[in-house]
Amino acid sequence: QVQLQESGPGLVKPSGTLSLTCTVSGDSISRGYYWGWIRQPPGKGLEWIGSVYHSGATYYKSSLKSRVTISLDTSKNQFSLKVTSVTASDTAVYYCVRDDGYSDFWGRGTLVTVSS
Amino acid sequence: EIVLTQSPGTLSLSPGERATLTCRASQNVNSNYLAWYQQKPGQAPRLLFYGASTRATGIPDRFSGSGSGTDFSLTISRLEPEDFAVYYCQQYGGSPGHAFGGGTKVEIK
Repeated sequence: QVQLQESGPGLVKPSGTLSLTCTVSGDSISRGYYWGWIRQPPGKGLEWIGSVYHSGATYYKSSLKSRVTISLDTSKNQFSLKVTSVTASDTAVYYCVRDDGYSDFWGRGTLVTVSS
Repeated sequence: EIVLTQSPGTLSLSPGERATLTCRASQNVNSNYLAWYQQKPGQAPRLLFYGASTRATGIPDRFSGSGSGTDFSLTISRLEPEDFAVYYCQQYGGSPGHAFGGGTKVEIK
């Protein structure tokens, strides 16, 4: 069974950088899937952020592309998300997912609050 | 970029009733790359369907997905207490990436 677990700071200051890591077990991120990030502001809907292929190729939501980087660490079977220049509107629960187009495996999610 | 519109926003029904949720795309969804998810409070979403009508592992057969092109639907034939939740549709495989609908909340009447 594939399991994903998000980790990282729960509080980030405005204009700072949000950094999260997803640790994958039960599958190898080098095997061939995309691995992605989805977020959900409190009380709102889901927003796809972007995904990274096992080769390292990435694709991002166009409106976030200038601020987002997703990368792999195959030695640790992890992938990461960085969002720069954050504002309050980046406050959300962040989920990491296995991305086969659709997302069949999800982490439990981690709340990141942007506040001074 | 494809925009997905889900309706209704909220569906108030009683256990045992039939629920029909719709998802309309602003343009054709290639190869019916349309997924449905269920989300309960405090939980991550759970995949219900992909390819518009292929049931994910462990999903009961009272759930069915259908549609093609720009119009898709999710039907729950007889609502069980555990089915009251928020449901999202998602388009994938397009450019520049994935898109979610705004969600439909199925609540107990």
